[in-house]
Amino acid sequence: GQSLEQPSEVTAVEGAIVQINCTYQTSGFYGLSWYQQHDGGAPTFLSYNALDGLEETGRFSSFLSRSDSYGYLLLQELQMKDSASYFCAVRARALNQAGTALIFGKGTTLSVSS
Amino acid sequence: DAGVTQSPTHLIKTRGQHVTLRCSPISGHKSVSWYQQVLGQGPQFIFQYYEKEERGRGNFPDRFSARQFPNYSSELNVNALLLGDSALYLCASSFDGSGNTIYFGEGSWLTVV
Repeated sequence: GQSLEQPSEVTAVEGAIVQINCTYQTSGFYGLSWYQQHDGGAPTFLSYNALDGLEETGRFSSFLSRSDSYGYLLLQELQMKDSASYFCAVRARALNQAGTALIFGKGTTLSVSS
Repeated sequence: DAGVTQSPTHLIKTRGQHVTLRCSPISGHKSVSWYQQVLGQGPQFIFQYYEKEERGRGNFPDRFSARQFPNYSSELNVNALLLGDSALYLCASSFDGSGNTIYFGEGSWLTVV
C-alpha cells in the first residue's frame, strides 16, 4: 500500500523556523511535493523534489532523501499568514495504469502566533 | 490568465440523487485530475484524465465516473449519493500527464443530506 506520515500539528512564533517532516511508503515513486492550504481555500503548490537534496524557494525549502523515504519542508522567518495546513504528497504510479496520482498525507496544521 | 475554475461552488443534494461537477483547466493544460477532500484530511485521488483518456483511477466505487471533453474541460459524476460523499471536490490541472506540478481549483463543496 501507499502511506505518508506527517505530524498533525506544529506551533511557532513569528520569525521562527519550523520543519515539517514527512515519511512515505509507496511503490513507483516519482517525487515528493508540498502543498499549502488555508482554511476554505484550495491547496497551492509549494515545491517538488524528484532527486535527493535541498530545493530552496524564498523562505521555503524542501528536502528529499529517497533512500530514507523521507522529506521535510522548512519554513523560515515565519509570518502570521503562514498559518495553514501543509500537505506532503507523493507522485506515484496510479494502480496499474498509465497515469500518475498524487497521494496526500493527512496534513500538518501550522499555527503561527505573535 | 484564469486559473482552474470549478462549478458549482456549493451545492446540497439528497441521498440517492445524482450530481455533476464541472471543471475548466488552465488554458493550455491537457490533464485534469479529481480529488475528494473530507474535513481534516488530505485530498484523495479519484481520477486523472489526459488528452480525453482516463489515465488513472483511485479507490472509489463505480458510482463515481468522469470524462474529459475535446476542450479539455471535465465533469465528475456521482450517482446514488451517500451521506459520506459530503466533501470538497477538487479539480486540478497540469500541462501534461506527468503531474509534477498541479494547480487546484477552489473546489465544489457538496453536502448530502
